[in-house]
Amino acid sequence: NAGVTQTPKFRVLKTGQSMTLLCAQDMNHEYMYWYRQDPGMGLRLIHYSVGEGTTAKGEVPDGYNVSRLKKQNFLLGLESAAPSQTSVYFCASSYGQTSYNEQFFGPGTRLTVL
Amino acid sequence: EDQVTQSPEALRLQEGESSSLNCSYTVSGLRGLFWYRQDPGKGPEFLFTLYSAGEEKEKERLKATLTKKESFLHITAPKPEDSATYLCAVQASGGSYIPTFGRGTSLIVHP
Repeated sequence: NAGVTQTPKFRVLKTGQSMTLLCAQDMNHEYMYWYRQDPGMGLRLIHYSVGEGTTAKGEVPDGYNVSRLKKQNFLLGLESAAPSQTSVYFCASSYGQTSYNEQFFGPGTRLTVL
Repeated sequence: EDQVTQSPEALRLQEGESSSLNCSYTVSGLRGLFWYRQDPGKGPEFLFTLYSAGEEKEKERLKATLTKKESFLHITAPKPEDSATYLCAVQASGGSYIPTFGRGTSLIVHP
């Protein structure tokens, strides 16, 4: 099992460019999440999904869009990147509405917006 | 609104010097409290889940405990390889089951 994988690992964008971050999990998890992590701010939830075809806003959703067309994949899009979106992005997944709801995290994507 | 506060923000220990990390929480009914370890440049890695006050779990030099208001992560005789950021998260009963994270405690253990 690969667990949770993220593509790409690093990316540099210019202000105004767009990109998509891909997250894939092979554990048949219902829930998937996108977080950003900035120094001193901890993990902040951007968007999440409770199942295939569903998405919901988290704590900091502005400037991002997501899609969950397949259960195993969760895409995070930046339509017009801004320097404030420079961060490390983590994807996670979990079983969902059960007692065993610990999250499994990917290795992260380090994004720099110039 | 669910809240999680971790203290201290940073902790420096000498190898073998035992200590505790604190996670205080406010939640309308606790479903579960999670501890994670995060190494530099990597994603968080799951350590423990605690479900009810009085529960304890251990793994090597780590022991997690839970009360109705807070959780402690006790580190006994730490080694340099225990250096990491430790994150706490709570999951409320009812609603969407989405965890709320604290900002973490950065632990450095000096040899």
